[in-house]
Amino acid sequence: GENVEQHPSTLSVQEGDSAVIKCTYSDSASNYFPWYKQELGKRPQLIIDIRSNVGEKKDQRIAVTLNKTAKHFSLHITETQPEDSAVYFCAALGEGSARQLTFGSGTQLTVLP
Amino acid sequence: DTAVSQTPKYLVTQMGNDKSIKCEQNLGHDTMYWYKQDSKKFLKIMFSYNNKELIINETVPNRFSPKSPDKAHLNLHINSLELGDSAVYFCASSQDLGVGAQYFGPGTRLLVL
Repeated sequence: GENVEQHPSTLSVQEGDSAVIKCTYSDSASNYFPWYKQELGKRPQLIIDIRSNVGEKKDQRIAVTLNKTAKHFSLHITETQPEDSAVYFCAALGEGSARQLTFGSGTQLTVLP
Repeated sequence: DTAVSQTPKYLVTQMGNDKSIKCEQNLGHDTMYWYKQDSKKFLKIMFSYNNKELIINETVPNRFSPKSPDKAHLNLHINSLELGDSAVYFCASSQDLGVGAQYFGPGTRLLVL
């Protein structure tokens, strides 16, 4: 089955700086890669996603890049704000009978004021 | 209106008991899921279910069983609860199996004593 690795596990940045979180996946047939933000005690919420036919996608301060050849994708947050502090999860959607999301282990992002 | 809802929000029970968690979605989605999030925040798929098929993660004990009275509801029944079942359980839904974004419920915090 699919295996998703996520790094780093914790990340602290100063307010206004950029943050980058990286994920690798194992199943070359995976074709959908969402990112979720989970604030303390809350549900995971989708913040951005990308499909395998696209290399990059942006939404205001958030961007995701995908390298299918290397089987890795990254989340980029620019101009970070304290409210960006949360746990971020990447995920990959497999194909065939394994059409389930496999999540990375999460990154605790702390934005220091 | 809440898109995906779960009840109860908190559940404290004794080992050996049987309990159920209810989930409802009003998004008109065809597929629903159950996830388990452990104390280390790791999110793991337990079940995917639509009106055509049930996909069970092979690591889920058969004490756990999903039951769907209709496509807007997917309940989780747990028999003979064990200490290791303590976790947060999230319900989610998506348009179809393996298609697009998944939307999560608020979670049920289960504590087995």
